[in-house]
Amino acid sequence: GENVEQHPSTLSVQEGDSAVIKCTYSDSASNYFPWYKQELGKRPQLIIDIRSNVGEKKDQRIAVTLNKTAKHFSLHITETQPEDSAVYFCAEEYGNKLVFGAGTILRVKS
Amino acid sequence: EPEVTQTPSHQVTQMGQEVILRCVPISNHLYFYWYRQILGQKVEFLVSFYNNEISEKSEIFDDQFSVERPDGSNFTLKIRSTKLEDSAMYFCASSGTGIGANVLTFGAGSRLTVL
Repeated sequence: GENVEQHPSTLSVQEGDSAVIKCTYSDSASNYFPWYKQELGKRPQLIIDIRSNVGEKKDQRIAVTLNKTAKHFSLHITETQPEDSAVYFCAEEYGNKLVFGAGTILRVKS
Repeated sequence: EPEVTQTPSHQVTQMGQEVILRCVPISNHLYFYWYRQILGQKVEFLVSFYNNEISEKSEIFDDQFSVERPDGSNFTLKIRSTKLEDSAMYFCASSGTGIGANVLTFGAGSRLTVL
C-alpha cells in the first residue's frame, strides 16, 4: 500500500544554516514527488517538485534530490531565513492522488 | 495567479447535521480532489474526481460522504450526518492535464467544527 515516511518531525536551525528533510516511499512505480510548505492556518503550497527522470532539481535556495533505487527523496534549504519557518510536507503520487508524509515543523531561529 | 476558492471558511455544526462544503476549482483544471487535515496532523486524501465521476476514494470516504459537480464551476463535498471526528480542515484541490495533471493547487480550506 502507499506510505511515505518523513523525518525529522521537528527541526530547529539557526538563521543562515541549512535544513534537510528526508522522505522514504514504498511504491517503486511512483514518478512524481512534490514538496509543500504550510504556514500556520494556511493552505499547503507547492514549493518544488521532482520527477523520476532526474536526480536533482534546484530553485534558488531550495533543492530536491531523488534516489529511486533507495526510494527516498530529500528537501534541502540553504541560507535559511525566519520566513522559512513552517510545516513542510513531502508527497508521492500514488494512483490518482498524492500521499503525504506526516510533516516536518521547521523553526528558523534568528 | 489562478486560485481555488472554498466556502465557507469556517462552519460549526451539531453532530448528526448535514454539511456541504463548496469549492470552485481553477477554471481550466479537470481533476478535482478533497483532502482532510485534522489539527496538527498530516494532509489525508479523501477523494479524486474526473470526468464527472469519482476516480479514487480512500477508506475515510465512506457512505456518509459524497461529492458532486452540480454545474460547470462548483465542486462540493457533502457529509450526510456529521460525527465529532469529522472535525477537521477540508481542503479542495485541482490539477490540470498532461504534465500538470499531478500538480495540485489547494484552496484555503474550510474548517469544520462538529459539536
